[in-house]
Amino acid sequence: GAVVSQHPSRVICKSGTSVKIECRSLDFQATTMFWYRQFPKQSLMLMATSNEGSKATYEQGVEKDKFLINHASLTLSTLTVTSAHPEDSSFYICSASLSGGIYNEQFFGPGTRLTVL
Amino acid sequence: QKEVEQDPGPLSVPEGAIVSLNCTYSNSAFQYFMWYRQYSRKGPELLMYTYSSGNKEDGRFTAQVDKSSKYISLFIRDSQPSDSATYLCAMSAEFAGNQFYFGTGTSLTVIP
Repeated sequence: GAVVSQHPSRVICKSGTSVKIECRSLDFQATTMFWYRQFPKQSLMLMATSNEGSKATYEQGVEKDKFLINHASLTLSTLTVTSAHPEDSSFYICSASLSGGIYNEQFFGPGTRLTVL
Repeated sequence: QKEVEQDPGPLSVPEGAIVSLNCTYSNSAFQYFMWYRQYSRKGPELLMYTYSSGNKEDGRFTAQVDKSSKYISLFIRDSQPSDSATYLCAMSAEFAGNQFYFGTGTSLTVIP
C-alpha cells in the first residue's frame, strides 16, 4: 500500500514554456503533500508543503509565482513550473503524508526529470 | 550549520562487507529518524524508521540512534550489489509538523 505516482516521469521542454507535474496518492488520502527538487548528487531540497484546499507554504528562496502548486483534492497535487529556464532543470519529487500515523510518514513518488533546453 | 550532516561519500565496498552509514544532527528535539534508499533516477524508499534512541533490526539492516551524541547509523550486513544506491537519513519532530530534514545522502557501491 501507500503508493504515490508522478506524471510525467520525464519532460523536455523549450525555455519559456510552462510544465505541469502531477502527484497522486493512489491508495490513500494524503492530507499533506510535499514538493522537493534534487540536483545531481545532492539531497532533497524541500520547495513547498501543500495541504488540501489551502495555499501552499513555500520554503525560503522558492519563488511562489514561478512554482505554482495546487492541491485540489486529497489524492492530487500539481506543480507547475512557469516560464521554465535551463536553471530549472532538475529532478522533482513529490511525497504524500499519511495522516494519523505516528510520525506522519512520507511516501515518495518516483520523481520527474525536467530538462529545459 | 546544517540541521543534518551526512558524508556524501562515495563509499565503495566488496560484496559481503559490513557497511556503516552515519548522520549527525544539531537539533536535540528530533524524535523520529528514518533511512531512505534511493536508486538512480528514482524516488526515495523507506528502509528503516526509529523513534527516539535505540536499535532496530530488519533483516540485514540495523538502525541505531544515539540521542546523547546526536548521531544515527545504518548498518548493512552481508552487502549485496543490489544495495548499491544512495542512502539518505531523515529526521523529524513534533515541532516540525510533517516536515522532514534530510541529509545529503551517501552514495554506496557494492562491488561483486
